[in-house]
Amino acid sequence: DAGVIQSPRHEVTEMGQEVTLRCKPISGHDYLFWYRQTMMRGLELLIYFNNNVPIDDSGMPEDRFSAKMPNASFSTLKIQPSEPRDSAVYFCASRPSGRASETQYFGPGTRLLVL
Amino acid sequence: AQKITQTQPGMFVQEKEAVTLDCTYDTSDQSYGLFWYKQPSSGEMIFLIYQGSYDEQNATEGRYSLNFQKARKSANLVISASQLGDSAMYFCAMRAYYAGGTSYGKLTFGQGTILTVHP
Repeated sequence: DAGVIQSPRHEVTEMGQEVTLRCKPISGHDYLFWYRQTMMRGLELLIYFNNNVPIDDSGMPEDRFSAKMPNASFSTLKIQPSEPRDSAVYFCASRPSGRASETQYFGPGTRLLVL
Repeated sequence: AQKITQTQPGMFVQEKEAVTLDCTYDTSDQSYGLFWYKQPSSGEMIFLIYQGSYDEQNATEGRYSLNFQKARKSANLVISASQLGDSAMYFCAMRAYYAGGTSYGKLTFGQGTILTVHP
């Protein structure tokens, strides 16, 4: 199994530009999570989906952030327009439903730097 | 709402010795799970161990064990026989299992503890 796949692994952009982060969850997993990690705020949940439907987006910082999951094998997190304070590592994670002990499997992350 | 507190920003341990990383939690949910993850300097998040709130025995996975004290709301990670490769950031997290709870389905993470293993 390939694990959770994220692209790009690194992104450097200028303030005001649109940024799109991509995630392919593990096949068969029906939960998908987007996290942001910074030194100041630690690991924050931005949004999560169940069966492609957004369940909780209370962690999305503001209207500049949007996330979609058009099908079970693909999700995007978009920032438009980007700002320097958006610089962080963005993780995607997925897990199956079923056993309560089921853990989340994280992707390698996307390191975003907004200049 | 759930809250995870890791009070140790950094810990040091000598190679081959045991170390305990503290985690306390606060929740009104009756059914929940506790997880520990390791994040090495390369950045990936690695699942280590899980404890269910109704599990009577403390969880163990190789050199990792979870000291679960439900009444005190603590779920400390114990690493035995530390190795240099254990140097990393460690996160404690929890998830509620009651579908009516606001935290259902998602993990709440603590701030993490940086562990450094000295040779």
